Amino acid sequence: TQLLEQSPQFLSIQEGENLTVYCNSSSVFSSLQWYRQEPGEGPVLLVTVVTGGEVKKLKRLTFQFGDARKDSSLHITAAQPGDTGLYLCAGDASSADGLTFGKGTHLIIQP
Amino acid sequence: DADVTQTPRNRITKTGKRIMLECSQTKGHDRMYWYRQDPGLGLRLIYYSFDVKDINKGEISDGYSVSRQAQAKFSLSLESAIPNQTALYFCATSDIGTFYNEQFFGPGTRLTVL
Repeated sequence: TQLLEQSPQFLSIQEGENLTVYCNSSSVFSSLQWYRQEPGEGPVLLVTVVTGGEVKKLKRLTFQFGDARKDSSLHITAAQPGDTGLYLCAGDASSADGLTFGKGTHLIIQP
Repeated sequence: DADVTQTPRNRITKTGKRIMLECSQTKGHDRMYWYRQDPGLGLRLIYYSFDVKDINKGEISDGYSVSRQAQAKFSLSLESAIPNQTALYFCATSDIGTFYNEQFFGPGTRLTVL
């Protein structure tokens, strides 16, 4: 069973600060996805990273895939209250099965 | 209109009752999935289906069954509900044409078993 460990589990910071969320595994994934979930809703895909060392930017969010394709990070610059939510990483070891999800990072950005 | 819909959105039931959760999608995707989400445990895969004739067990299929009535419909049944099946249940779809298994989730069903 592939496991994805996310850290931190909870993070509460002030508006304008920067933060990084980590997603680590001992397994290699063919791709890794980041989702954001708000209360009462399902997860929504933010980005997919595929190549080792790949960096993708989505406005103030920067996603990086580790060189060995076992880990990933999400960095948010100048966090805003609208960034509040549960951030989930998910690894795809094989397109034949469902994704393996991390337990998530609960992020609260205080005004 | 939502691409992936789930009914009901909330359900409270009693131990031993049979419950069916339904999922419909208008995305035209072949693959459909059922996950449950529990605090501290994340999302775990219950069942998945690649087409109407293909059903596969996921990580935690015991106590659940599924039916893929059509490409657009995938239902999850709890034959005899028990309290530890209290959770948020999500249906998801993905396009067989994509290589990366990116998934699109419904809004979820909050199930409480008393």
